[in-house]
Amino acid sequence: AQSVTQLDSQVPVFEEAPVELRCNYSSSVSVYLFWYVQYPNQGLQLLLKYLSGSTLVKGINGFEAEFNKSQTSFHLRKPSVHISDTAEYFCAVSVTGGGNKLTFGTGTQLKVEL
Amino acid sequence: DTAVSQTPKYLVTQMGNDKSIKCEQNLGHDTMYWYKQDSKKFLKIMFSYNNKELIINETVPNRFSPKSPDKAHLNLHINSLELGDSAVYFCASSQGSTGAFFGQGTRLTVV
Repeated sequence: AQSVTQLDSQVPVFEEAPVELRCNYSSSVSVYLFWYVQYPNQGLQLLLKYLSGSTLVKGINGFEAEFNKSQTSFHLRKPSVHISDTAEYFCAVSVTGGGNKLTFGTGTQLKVEL
Repeated sequence: DTAVSQTPKYLVTQMGNDKSIKCEQNLGHDTMYWYKQDSKKFLKIMFSYNNKELIINETVPNRFSPKSPDKAHLNLHINSLELGDSAVYFCASSQGSTGAFFGQGTRLTVV
């Protein structure tokens, strides 16, 4: 079975600073990888996804992530954060033949401070 | 027009009651899901339907019964509600492996 680890439960960062949210996965088969953002009292919004091809994927709101198969990682980055990026970020994985179900990490709370 | 809409947004009810949550998607997707988010924000899949057929049924108590009248709708009925059922329930839909679109969630509080 697949699993996702988000080691950082909280990441504080100052506005306009760069940020990296870490995600590692475990799977014995090929994976699809996703990052979702959840603002308070809202649903999850898809930030970006890796399905195949280029390992560097760009998403909405200036975020990008890099798939590293050898490190089994899919870290999320943004070069300059804004107060409005304060939210919970979830990494998720699905596997081929798995019915497209998403297995989520435990989430990382990004707190952007002035 | 909301892509995945679920009702109600908030639901407060007493232990032992039966309640339903409704979900509709207008994206034309073939697959719909129910996910549960607990108080620690952990998300876990409960059910998945593809073209009205149940394809994923995780280890969920049989007090929870999903129903899909057509591929645009997926409802969740919960019998004999317990305190531990308090959570946020998310409906989602997807087409293939391209990633799921989520509704705004239903916050269920059992008192």
